[in-house]
Amino acid sequence: DADVTQTPRNRITKTGKRIMLECSQTKGHDRMYWYRQDPGLGLRLIYYSFDVKDINKGEISDGYSVSRQAQAKFSLSLESAIPNQTALYFCATSDPGQGNTEAFFGQGTRLTVV
Amino acid sequence: AQSVTQLGSHVSVSEGALVLLRCNYSSSVPPYLFWYVQYPNQGLQLLLKYTSAATLVKGINGFEAEFKKSETSFHLTKPSAHMSDAAEYFCAVGSGSARQLTFGSGTQLTVLP
Repeated sequence: DADVTQTPRNRITKTGKRIMLECSQTKGHDRMYWYRQDPGLGLRLIYYSFDVKDINKGEISDGYSVSRQAQAKFSLSLESAIPNQTALYFCATSDPGQGNTEAFFGQGTRLTVV
Repeated sequence: AQSVTQLGSHVSVSEGALVLLRCNYSSSVPPYLFWYVQYPNQGLQLLLKYTSAATLVKGINGFEAEFKKSETSFHLTKPSAHMSDAAEYFCAVGSGSARQLTFGSGTQLTVLP
């Protein structure tokens, strides 16, 4: 089984709908991240969390919210989806004990907003 | 603040030729540097990382990268390209004081037969 699991892997939704992307991890890491990947733009950070009580906005948080339900679970919500949120979304984890911010990624969720 | 610039969004090489993917970084503190690879329909996989030990870092699949502080570079190389190397490659920078990685825009590598 994958260490970082994202569900769903693919999703098509309509403009204005609320959608939640889920991430769970078995690595025991405290730090979790949500990134968005767009062609030619690389990965951009949406939100990150260093523990269940520590949630921080990233570079592009507008239109998104997150919930850290437990150390192992970090979900991303689009409250009212719009077409320019069509992208590939990645969840990642890291271990502060390593001190070097190496990230471990899930397989990604491909979201299409029509 | 930290940033990454990857020169060349698309690179094509012939099978057996040298692979060179360029990455320059900016960081106000000593950086940690990473190369990740993304195969189609997959997540990102770590190729190699620099964490202030040896400046020449060897990774998986025959790739290596050299940290050059004077040039603020961390270019990725492989002596002989294989068809299976075709993928997108991302350079990323972090630091002890940073709370997350910053990624470059990626380089798509095509390997021609």
